[in-house]
Amino acid sequence: DAGVIQSPRHEVTEMGQEVTLRCKPISGHNSLFWYRQTMMRGLELLIYFNNNVPIDDSGMPEDRFSAKMPNASFSTLKIQPSEPRDSAVYFCASRLLAGGSSSYNEQFFGPGTRLTVL
Amino acid sequence: AQSVTQPDIHITVSEGASLELRCNYSYGATPYLFWYVQSPGQGLQLLLKYFSGDTLVQGIKGFEAEFKRSQSSFNLRKPSVHWSDAAEYFCAVVRDSSASKIIFGSGTRLSIRP
Repeated sequence: DAGVIQSPRHEVTEMGQEVTLRCKPISGHNSLFWYRQTMMRGLELLIYFNNNVPIDDSGMPEDRFSAKMPNASFSTLKIQPSEPRDSAVYFCASRLLAGGSSSYNEQFFGPGTRLTVL
Repeated sequence: AQSVTQPDIHITVSEGASLELRCNYSYGATPYLFWYVQSPGQGLQLLLKYFSGDTLVQGIKGFEAEFKRSQSSFNLRKPSVHWSDAAEYFCAVVRDSSASKIIFGSGTRLSIRP
């Protein structure tokens, strides 16, 4: 089991540039989450998808951020244009939606992408 | 609104000493409760979870947690810590099995004194 795969692991870019973060969820999982982690704000949920459909994007900070999930095995988080305050670690997580009402399948996290915007 | 409180930002314990990390949640019903650990430079890893049944749950790496409904708490414990336990620990809650969003606490950073 490869786990959740994120790329790149580290990204350094200049203010104003477009940044694209990528995530491959665990095979068979049908729910995917994007988080941002900073010292000041902790771990924040940005957006999540169920069955490739965005369900809640209320955590997306502004229009500069967008996320897509074109198929069950791939998602992207794009920042355009990037700003220094976007510097953070971005995590992707996936889980299998529970079929019954008596269980909850936990989220599995990727290793994260450390983004630095200069 | 659902929330999770971890009152201790940073805790230091000596290697071999016992550990208890506090977690309180605010929700009327019995939520689904989790503890995750994040080692430096790594993603979050699930330590244990509670859904129902026995209120003392065992997890990986020798950790356990006890659900106390009367105190709305789900504290994490370990009888004897190892230097490798130094990490950030997050308590988290899900409203019920139909919910997708996990609410994370702010985390407790654990340092181990040699």
